[in-house]
Amino acid sequence: EVQLVESGGGLVKPGGSLRLSCVGSGFTFSIYSMNWVRQAPGKGLEWVSSISSDFSYIYYSDSVKGRFTISRDNAQSSLYLQMNSLSAEDTAVYYCARGYCSDTNCYYPFDTWGHGTLVTVS
Amino acid sequence: DIVLTQSPGTLSLFPGERATLSCWASQSISSNYLAWYQQRPGQAPRLLMYDGSRRATGIPDRFSGSGSGTYFTLTISRLEPEDFAVYYCQHCGAAPKSFGGGTKVEIK
Repeated sequence: EVQLVESGGGLVKPGGSLRLSCVGSGFTFSIYSMNWVRQAPGKGLEWVSSISSDFSYIYYSDSVKGRFTISRDNAQSSLYLQMNSLSAEDTAVYYCARGYCSDTNCYYPFDTWGHGTLVTVS
Repeated sequence: DIVLTQSPGTLSLFPGERATLSCWASQSISSNYLAWYQQRPGQAPRLLMYDGSRRATGIPDRFSGSGSGTYFTLTISRLEPEDFAVYYCQHCGAAPKSFGGGTKVEIK
């Protein structure tokens, strides 16, 4: 079974840091692009960051650029999100989601999602 | 950046009725890069449609997608109880891979 499991959420004070993890199983993690998407309480989905399978592209939303860092360890089938300078606006459930990259681009939908991990900044 | 606007915000319908959800893009995009997701209460989103009109694995054929350019639609031909949820469109092309604000389909 293809599965993504996030961890690392919790309560953190404004200005603090947190590192989220996502472990993939049931598929060849190293060939897929990976993404972070967040959802503030009662709000819609917000794309946060993406990283290609070979690290050749990394992108961030304007709202987190310069504060968050996405990374991955293909040997450990793991995706990470280092979050610094957190503010109340970062309070959300953070989902990791699987994408895909072909030989030409990474313009593919997110076909598998984790259950999410809650980050509360207060 | 591409901004996606969904309408209506809420759709109140009876089970068995037809639902039509709209997604407007701020500039023309390829339907190849338009996806739809369903999110039930307390659950993670799941992929419904990709390439604008292709159903993801396991999605029943009462769901269909269409559109081109700046206007896309998701249609549910006959609402089943499990279809009452929030639906999001997404531009999955070049970053930022933005989502629309969502349409909630609720039981009337």
